[in-house]
Amino acid sequence: QTVVTQEPSLTVSPGGTVTLTCASSTGAVTSGYYPNWFQQKPGQAPRALIYFTSNKHSWTPARFSGSLLGGKAALTLSGVQPEDEAEYYCLLYYGGGWMFGGGTKLTVL
Amino acid sequence: QVQLQLSGPGLVKPSQTLSLTCAISGDSVSSNSACWNWIRQSPSRGLEWLGRTYYRSKWVYEYGVSVKGRITINPDTSKNQFSLQLNSVTPEDTAVYYCARGADFQHWGPGTLVTVSS
Repeated sequence: QTVVTQEPSLTVSPGGTVTLTCASSTGAVTSGYYPNWFQQKPGQAPRALIYFTSNKHSWTPARFSGSLLGGKAALTLSGVQPEDEAEYYCLLYYGGGWMFGGGTKLTVL
Repeated sequence: QVQLQLSGPGLVKPSQTLSLTCAISGDSVSSNSACWNWIRQSPSRGLEWLGRTYYRSKWVYEYGVSVKGRITINPDTSKNQFSLQLNSVTPEDTAVYYCARGADFQHWGPGTLVTVSS
């Protein structure tokens, strides 16, 4: 059974930088997994931030960036703002199907 | 601007079929560049991709392993919408259900809670 793993929780100070990662139990994550990243705040639908590893949507703030890092997909927030406190999910493609990670709860403190 | 709107019952009895519809505005379900996804979220299972359909000279259907065998996704070109049917539901299928557009999941519907209970 394939599992997509994210850090359960991270804490960052306002103005700081934090990197969230997304690992696959099948091995190294590559661009062929078409990593997507989403932000979800309580009571809201997930909002797409990054698609296909590093592409931003028109509404994605510049402080968010996506990459591949050490065999994982990564989402980096630089200059974190209080409004970035949320749950973040990655999504990977496995040839005919997609799988979400368990999510990272990001606390800005 | 693409908008997605879900409709369907909020309560389904165990062993019955869950049916939801996602109405599309601002795009076409038959678009050769879009795909149409169903996703659900529950506290116990997290976010779970259920399946998608898209048109590339013919209709293509892809389903998640966790629901394969119980799920059907159907496009309705006359109403510009697509539907989800999930058979033989159990309380484990209780979740907020979403529809979303694209391989980049750019647009999401607002989500609807479906409870499986007698």
